Amino acid sequence: AQSVAQPEDQVNVAEGNPLTVKCTYSVSGNPYLFWYVQYPNRGLQFLLKYITGDNLVKGSYGFEAEFNKSQTSFHLKKPSALVSDSALYFCAVRDWKLTGGGNKLTFGTGTQLKVEL
Amino acid sequence: EAGVTQFPSHSVIEKGQTVTLRCDPISGHDNLYWYRRVMGKEIKFLLHFVKESKQDESGMPNNRFLAERTGGTYSTLKVQPAELEDSGVYFCASRRTGRVYEQYFGPGTRLTVT
Repeated sequence: AQSVAQPEDQVNVAEGNPLTVKCTYSVSGNPYLFWYVQYPNRGLQFLLKYITGDNLVKGSYGFEAEFNKSQTSFHLKKPSALVSDSALYFCAVRDWKLTGGGNKLTFGTGTQLKVEL
Repeated sequence: EAGVTQFPSHSVIEKGQTVTLRCDPISGHDNLYWYRRVMGKEIKFLLHFVKESKQDESGMPNNRFLAERTGGTYSTLKVQPAELEDSGVYFCASRRTGRVYEQYFGPGTRLTVT
């Protein structure tokens, strides 16, 4: 089975400060990892993904994530937070079957990011 | 191109009633997924269509849920009869065959069963 854990229900950070939203995963094979963001009354928007290659992945809106295989983590980061970054963030892993089918995603419980002035 | 659309955006029904949610995927996307987020919990996979065929329905909670995708275009998810624990946000996502890492999500339908 594949799973994702987001240990923090909420993260508070002051605008201009760096932010980190944590994610750890458990998979049997190679992990394909994703971050999505949900703004109020909007759908899930893709931020970034890790498939293979460089452990530091850059995505939309200045976000990046660091893949750490030894710690089975894929934390989301941003050097300088904006109030407009306040949203609900979900980490997800692709559920890879031996048959290669489906591509369904397994999500974490989400982390509410609140950026204050 | 237009994104994934879902209707209604919000539905409030009483326990025992029937509700039908609709999803219109992005044009040309053969793959369509339904997911659900119950309050405060993870987003869980419900099922996956490839065109009009159910590829994987392992996440469907019980036989009160019926999903269809007639003609391989839009999809409906019917809950009959609805129970309190069915409350949550139902997301639809679509993907073009071959673009295995790109699922585009709709805004979701918030279902409240009272």
